[in-house]
Amino acid sequence: AQSVSQHNHHVILSEAASLELGCNYSYGGTVNLFWYVQYPGQHLQLLLKYFSGDPLVKGIKGFEAEFIKSKFSFNLRKPSVQWSDTAEYFCAVSENTGFQKLVFGTGTRLLVSP
Amino acid sequence: DAGVIQSPRHEVTEMGQEVTLRCKPISGHDYLFWYRQTMMRGLELLIYFNNNVPIDDSGMPEDRFSAKMPNASFSTLKIQPSEPRDSAVYFCANKDSGDTEAFFGQGTRLTVV
Repeated sequence: AQSVSQHNHHVILSEAASLELGCNYSYGGTVNLFWYVQYPGQHLQLLLKYFSGDPLVKGIKGFEAEFIKSKFSFNLRKPSVQWSDTAEYFCAVSENTGFQKLVFGTGTRLLVSP
Repeated sequence: DAGVIQSPRHEVTEMGQEVTLRCKPISGHDYLFWYRQTMMRGLELLIYFNNNVPIDDSGMPEDRFSAKMPNASFSTLKIQPSEPRDSAVYFCANKDSGDTEAFFGQGTRLTVV
């Protein structure tokens, strides 16, 4: 069965610091990978996704993620965070074939202090 | 399209009562997911449907939970009887098999007292 691990449950950064959130998945087949963001009191929104091609994916608001197949990883990065990036970040995976079950990690809460 | 619409947004109920959460998916999107979000467990997949058919309900915690999708425009998640530990935010998400992105509703915050 698929599973997604996010190693950092809580991250606290100052504005302008660099961000990297870890995500590892377990699944032997071809996958689609996602990062979703949930701002306080809101629903989940897609930040970026990978399904094929260039393993370095750029998303909205200056976020990017790199798919490293050999490490089963899809880490999220941002070179300089802002206070408005305070949110919870979820990594997710779905199979690329068959029934497309979407499985999420437990999330990472990011707090950016001004 | 108004996106995925969930109702109610907030529900407070007493232990033992029946609770029904509703979801109106995006027209034409053939996958529908129900998730539960708690502080302790994060976002858990409860059940998902494809073309109104339940595909995997292994995430449904107990027999007290049931979900239906009688047609492509409507799905319900029912808890009977409800318990305080069911308190959580329940999200409905929708996806087109031809696309990779899932779209989430605003969620229903359930509090069982």
